[in-house]
Amino acid sequence: GESVGLHLPTLSVQEGDNSIINCAYSNSASDYFIWYKQESGKGPQFIIDIRSNMDKRQGQRVTVLLNKTVKHLSLQIAATQPGDSAVYFCAERGSGNQFYFGTGTSLTVIP
Amino acid sequence: DTEVTQTPKHLVMGMTNKKSLKCEQHMGHRAMYWYKQKAKKPPELMFVYSYEKLSINESVPSRFSPECPNSSLLNLHLHALQPEDSALYLCASSRRTESFDANTGELFFGEGSRLTVL
Repeated sequence: GESVGLHLPTLSVQEGDNSIINCAYSNSASDYFIWYKQESGKGPQFIIDIRSNMDKRQGQRVTVLLNKTVKHLSLQIAATQPGDSAVYFCAERGSGNQFYFGTGTSLTVIP
Repeated sequence: DTEVTQTPKHLVMGMTNKKSLKCEQHMGHRAMYWYKQKAKKPPELMFVYSYEKLSINESVPSRFSPECPNSSLLNLHLHALQPEDSALYLCASSRRTESFDANTGELFFGEGSRLTVL
């Protein structure tokens, strides 16, 4: 499979601060990337996606940045809330419409 | 209906048992997936079905046998599993499209089936 990894396995932030979660991918041909949030005991939930022909995409409180030169993705969460505590995965899409997931970052929000 | 439903939620089986995991979606998605997830690890791709045909098998042992009876259902048949196969098995679906559209490619996941092999 593809290799998609994350720089930091754990991240703790104060409530109200901004969070940045990073991800490195290895396949320069990947054309589509997704960030997922997974809470304990649940399946991954879609947060935001980005095409390879874009470098930034914004959602509600979240922004994804894509740097194809260094094959790097980041997820920025503004005004982090306790409900944001979860494991975050990036995923890249291969040529067969398959998705490979990165290592994951566990985000803990401190009230 | 934007749900992927997986049954059972929990399954305990012995190494000689035969059991099946089931997945259902009614979103009209034509791509369906099985992932395996161990604790504190990312989901690991097992199989991809595209238009009810197996398109990707990530070198999964034959004791796992997928089946896609129709466009809404996906099964995973389990036989002679090992204790190390204990994991959360996640089903997902997505719209299968050849044209690229950032808003249609996402995977929708079920809540998973927690499998314990004794």
